[in-house]
Amino acid sequence: AQSVTQLDSHVSVSEGTPVLLRCNYSSSYSPSLFWYVQHPNKGLQLLLKYTSAATLVKGINGFEAEFKKSETSFHLTKPSAHMSDAAEYFCVVTLNTGGFKTIFGAGTRLFVKA
Amino acid sequence: NAGVTQTPKFRILKIGQSMTLQCTQDMNHNYMYWYRQDPGMGLKLIYYSVGAGITDKGEVPNGYNVSRSTTEDFPLRLELAAPSQTSVYFCASRLNQEQPQHFGDGTRLSIL
Repeated sequence: AQSVTQLDSHVSVSEGTPVLLRCNYSSSYSPSLFWYVQHPNKGLQLLLKYTSAATLVKGINGFEAEFKKSETSFHLTKPSAHMSDAAEYFCVVTLNTGGFKTIFGAGTRLFVKA
Repeated sequence: NAGVTQTPKFRILKIGQSMTLQCTQDMNHNYMYWYRQDPGMGLKLIYYSVGAGITDKGEVPNGYNVSRSTTEDFPLRLELAAPSQTSVYFCASRLNQEQPQHFGDGTRLSIL
């Protein structure tokens, strides 16, 4: 069965320290992978996407993610957290299983301390 | 481009009332989606459409209906509002199934 697991429901970091949000997927199909951010009372905004090109993907606001096929992971990182990064982050996978299927992770809430 | 526009932004309904949540996109996207997001949860797919005139059920379709008469518009209808439908509703669209979805800002619906 296909699934997406965001390993942490909450992550807390201090401003200026690195951010790591973890995402693993389970599927035998080649995925397209996305990270979205959701600020309070807003819709989801695309941060970055992986669609079978370079495995290290750079996104907006200094975020990047690395696709590791052997580990079926697509972790999101940022070298230095900013207060404005506090939000909910969703890992999303689209699979071509004959028809396309999109699976959302449950989300990770990022807290940034001053 | 305005992207994906949802109206209204907020609404309070009484049990048993009906309403339509509007969604329009100006990107000429074929694929459109309706999701609900309950507090502290991820998104659940209600209905989707792969083009004008074609709609299909998602994960949680009960209590909802949709139509897709044009490429731009994908309204979601609640016929008999129930407290369990209190949620935030998001509409999204994308060009094809390998591309990312573009989301509206959501409609916050409370049913009392």
